[in-house]
Amino acid sequence: GEDVEQSLFLSVREGDSSVINCTYTDSSSTYLYWYKQEPGAGLQLLTYIFSNMDMKQDQRLTVLLNKKDKHLSLRIADTQTGDSAIYFCAEMTGGSYIPTFGRGTSLIVHP
Amino acid sequence: DTGVSQNPRHKITKRGQNVTFRCDPISEHNRLYWYRQTLGQGPEFLTYFQNEAQLEKSRLLSDRFSAERPKGSFSTLEIQRTEQGDSAMYLCASSLPRGATGELFFGEGSRLTVL
Repeated sequence: GEDVEQSLFLSVREGDSSVINCTYTDSSSTYLYWYKQEPGAGLQLLTYIFSNMDMKQDQRLTVLLNKKDKHLSLRIADTQTGDSAIYFCAEMTGGSYIPTFGRGTSLIVHP
Repeated sequence: DTGVSQNPRHKITKRGQNVTFRCDPISEHNRLYWYRQTLGQGPEFLTYFQNEAQLEKSRLLSDRFSAERPKGSFSTLEIQRTEQGDSAMYLCASSLPRGATGELFFGEGSRLTVL
């Protein structure tokens, strides 16, 4: 999606934290999402944040939203090999029901 | 399993042939989406339905593509006169209307290879 940009690859060592970044262009985005796609599987929602929030924490996941800079990040604490997957950032405006996805960031976790 | 189901999972066809994909959404979901995903890209929106009504279509959906959801349950996506550029993963997703999270539930996709 040309309206949502992500870096393509991230490589981390097991046990370290991973930070995946995303920028979007639509200032009226209301919902921002992180989806995970494992090989051969469909996308699954990991977490989401509403645009009126700055941060959301859910166990090992922390989402930070900088609405001024239209920047979203996903931090995974204590990254495990099972976290290796493609992570997609997505945004949706309140008046639309169509999420727009980024190209995905491939996270590789090595021992 | 009550997730989104897509068939067939893989389809290999020759250029010029017609193909049809089927999607069975989660039963209580009345929104249904079709996306296309090519290698190294994120899902690109094609079209979506609320019940049986097709509410929006992307410019990506050329005249050769048609989607239906006749009874507001399963949906089909037909591609006529396939071209090599149609090779992609076709993803179906469903959701509840005005759900609290706007979450889409995706199927595993139908992979199309056009020779």
